[in-house]
Amino acid sequence: QQQVKQSPQSLIVQKGGISIINCAYENTAFDYFPWYQQFPGKGPALLIAIRPDVSEKKEGRFTISFNKSAKQFSLHIMDSQPGDSATYFCAASRMDSSYKLIFGSGTRLLVRP
Amino acid sequence: KAGVTQTPRYLIKTRGQQVTLSCSPISGHRSVSWYQQTPGQGLQFLFEYFSETQRNKGNFPGRFSGRQFSNSRSEMNVSTLELGDSALYLCASGVAATNEKLFFGSGTQLSVL
Repeated sequence: QQQVKQSPQSLIVQKGGISIINCAYENTAFDYFPWYQQFPGKGPALLIAIRPDVSEKKEGRFTISFNKSAKQFSLHIMDSQPGDSATYFCAASRMDSSYKLIFGSGTRLLVRP
Repeated sequence: KAGVTQTPRYLIKTRGQQVTLSCSPISGHRSVSWYQQTPGQGLQFLFEYFSETQRNKGNFPGRFSGRQFSNSRSEMNVSTLELGDSALYLCASGVAATNEKLFFGSGTQLSVL
């Protein structure tokens, strides 16, 4: 029940294309769903996050879509750029568990020029 | 504002030894969390400290311990090192008013030989 399942494991997209990464969770007590971006040699950096009271959140080229009934959420990267090439992690947590994030297994994104 | 600072950046130890890793959170952040990152298990929560008290603990053996000082700086200790403890250990800090916006350091890469 604590797992967050992420797919695909790797993704190759052409420059200007749309990158889509999906995550699914089981624990309905989760109430915070962030996405993190990690470059080699660096720690994860918060990209965008959503709470279950909204179905979509957009920040620049990054959009989270959230489907509470299906217990799924996804990250869309519009107009993907080579600089977006990184590993992306979805995560989930409960408000009463503070910073105990349950991470997905990660998606390695490569954006080709 | 300076980011989360972790020292040392790299560490090589042998089986049976113990190790102490250090983390300085972002100024004003009172919560410090520790995560272990490995290629096989991904990102896993170790523990979280707030105001010198452990608030949450992950599913790791008692060989893994930590503490937080009055200035919010934190250390984690691993005793009787095993080969499987080789990993990137990430520290993250947050304001702790909610479970949002966790900021990660670049980590300490521990190799156990």
